[in-house]
Amino acid sequence: GNSVTQMEGPVTLSEEAFLTINCTYTATGYPSLFWYVQYPGEGLQLLLKATKADDKGSNKGFEATYRKETTSFHLEKGSVQVSDSAVYFCALLPMNTGFQKLVFGTGTRLLVSP
Amino acid sequence: EAGVTQFPSHSVIEKGQTVTLRCDPISGHDNLYWYRRVMGKEIKFLLHFVKESKQDESGMPNNRFLAERTGGTYSTLKVQPAELEDSGVYFCASSQQRYWGPGQGPQVDEKLFFGSGTQLSVL
Repeated sequence: GNSVTQMEGPVTLSEEAFLTINCTYTATGYPSLFWYVQYPGEGLQLLLKATKADDKGSNKGFEATYRKETTSFHLEKGSVQVSDSAVYFCALLPMNTGFQKLVFGTGTRLLVSP
Repeated sequence: EAGVTQFPSHSVIEKGQTVTLRCDPISGHDNLYWYRRVMGKEIKFLLHFVKESKQDESGMPNNRFLAERTGGTYSTLKVQPAELEDSGVYFCASSQQRYWGPGQGPQVDEKLFFGSGTQLSVL
């Protein structure tokens, strides 16, 4: 079946540090891949997405590349800010799914200190 | 533009009681989804409405859960009777169904708008 595995958190970093949150997936064919972010007290927001192999999604300084050969979609940011503290969820949408029946990972909490 | 709103934001009930969660999607959004995150685990799909019709309820855990969307506007999710394992955060999301033209069928705007969730605690 379809599944997403994320690194366990929390991830604790100092401001301006480099961030990587690992995400690997299991799915048939070529799913679409997403990163969602949940800031404290808010709902999930789409951070970035990639819909085919080798695509790079990017937004707000975050990037993730769709790697079919390693079934991965790791999230990276070169210099994190305190305001990036949130929970990050990796997700996939199976092929040929017409609607948003997403498969999520467990989430990774990021804590950035000044 | 108002976002997706959910209430209550928190609910604490005893095992065996009934709880009803409500979701108001963004106006004009035909698609409404319910998801659940239990005990810090992954967020799981529960069901999907298009307007007032249930399109996919394969994620509903059992018959203690009943979702409705009368009139295709807001939705309710009732848990009756609640059990300890029902504790978690219940998220609602909506998206706009976009029609690309005659003969092409409906295409869904991929961007989901989530509410901030209802934290349900069953004691």
